[in-house]
Amino acid sequence: SQQGEEDPQALSIQEGENATMNCSYKTSINNLQWYRQNSGRGLVHLILIRSNEREKHSGRLRVTLDTSKKSSSLLITASRAADTASYFCATDEKNRDDKIIFGKGTRLHILP
Amino acid sequence: DSGVTQTPKHLITATGQRVTLRCSPRSGDLSVYWYQQSLDQGLQFLIQYYNGEERAKGNILERFSAQQFPDLHSELNLSSLELGDSALYFCASAQLALTDTQYFGPGTRLTVL
Repeated sequence: SQQGEEDPQALSIQEGENATMNCSYKTSINNLQWYRQNSGRGLVHLILIRSNEREKHSGRLRVTLDTSKKSSSLLITASRAADTASYFCATDEKNRDDKIIFGKGTRLHILP
Repeated sequence: DSGVTQTPKHLITATGQRVTLRCSPRSGDLSVYWYQQSLDQGLQFLIQYYNGEERAKGNILERFSAQQFPDLHSELNLSSLELGDSALYFCASAQLALTDTQYFGPGTRLTVL
């Protein structure tokens, strides 16, 4: 079963609007990471948030982590056409360093 | 450009054949990871090597094997290919630990006919 699962599976919004994607996971973690993938390309690391952090910012990206709910959200503000991509969360398991699991991703489409 | 290179970019072959995918990690990265991405299974972790040694195993089939060489490049060998092996295969590298940021290569698209 998936450790991390993103929601929604797909999202279409108008350019300029904010996009929010969620990730839920099952076990306690050390870190949670968000990656972006443009169609057919390799994944690009966006941001890493540690289990003792609650919020992190990077440019137009804001990530929150709620370990009590085992969930994270990725907010992209003032979306642009170039943000059209799939977004994945990746989690490990606390006290293990031998496995990292990616969710199936959220496909984000920014409409002009 | 992530600094990770993968060859070939595309590969088309027939069922029952064997192929080798190659990956060169970023300069200075000791860990190499292999992933398989298909439409129905999403991104699946296959295997990790660290400084030449196998470090972690994921959902890797027995028909698949990998190795990391002294110069840290890695190869993924896929044998007795089946139609279901058609997928994008990504290599990623990281400095040390599994939870470090991973840098992904552009992928190899394998089509088995």
